[in-house]
Amino acid sequence: AQSVTQLDSHVSVSEGTPVLLRCNYSSSYSPSLFWYVQHPNKGLQLLLKYTSAATLVKGINGFEAEFKKSETSFHLTKPSAHMSDAAEYFCVVSRYNNNDMRFGAGTRLTVKP
Amino acid sequence: EAGVAQSPRYKIIEKRQSVAFWCNPISGHATLYWYQQILGQGPKLLIQFQNNGVVDDSQLPKDRFSAERLKGVDSTLKIQPAKLEDSAVYLCASRRGRTNTEAFFGQGTRLTVV
Repeated sequence: AQSVTQLDSHVSVSEGTPVLLRCNYSSSYSPSLFWYVQHPNKGLQLLLKYTSAATLVKGINGFEAEFKKSETSFHLTKPSAHMSDAAEYFCVVSRYNNNDMRFGAGTRLTVKP
Repeated sequence: EAGVAQSPRYKIIEKRQSVAFWCNPISGHATLYWYQQILGQGPKLLIQFQNNGVVDDSQLPKDRFSAERLKGVDSTLKIQPAKLEDSAVYLCASRRGRTNTEAFFGQGTRLTVV
């Protein structure tokens, strides 16, 4: 079975400070990993994806994530938070041989002025 | 390309009534997913189709929920009879192929059962 654990349900940062949203996964097979963002009353939007190429993945809006197999982690980072980054973030794992997509519980990011 | 279309956007029904949701995926996408997202939680996979075949429906409450994907394109999700705990946003997503591609999501249908 595969699963995703997002270690923080809520993260609060000040505008201009770094963002770290943590995600650990378990998978019996080589996974693909994704981060999606959900703004209030908006649909889910892809931020970035890891599909067994480069372990450091760059996404939209200055976000990036690093795949660490030894730590089974795929943490999302951004050097400087912006007010518009306030949203719910989901880490998603997909198995190579199955094509399913399992979501973590989500991390709500609050950005203070 | 056009996105994933879902309808209706909102639905309010009384408990024990039935309801159906419709999803039109992106053209050419073989995989289609239905998720249930309860307020404050992450989306939970209900059912996954590959073309018109079911790949995974292990978390679908089959005593009241049903889904089909006719001709491997559009899909419908039905609840009969609805319960209060079915109040949630129902998301449809589609994906072109295997795991190196991302899924695209519709806007969802917000169901309120009263």
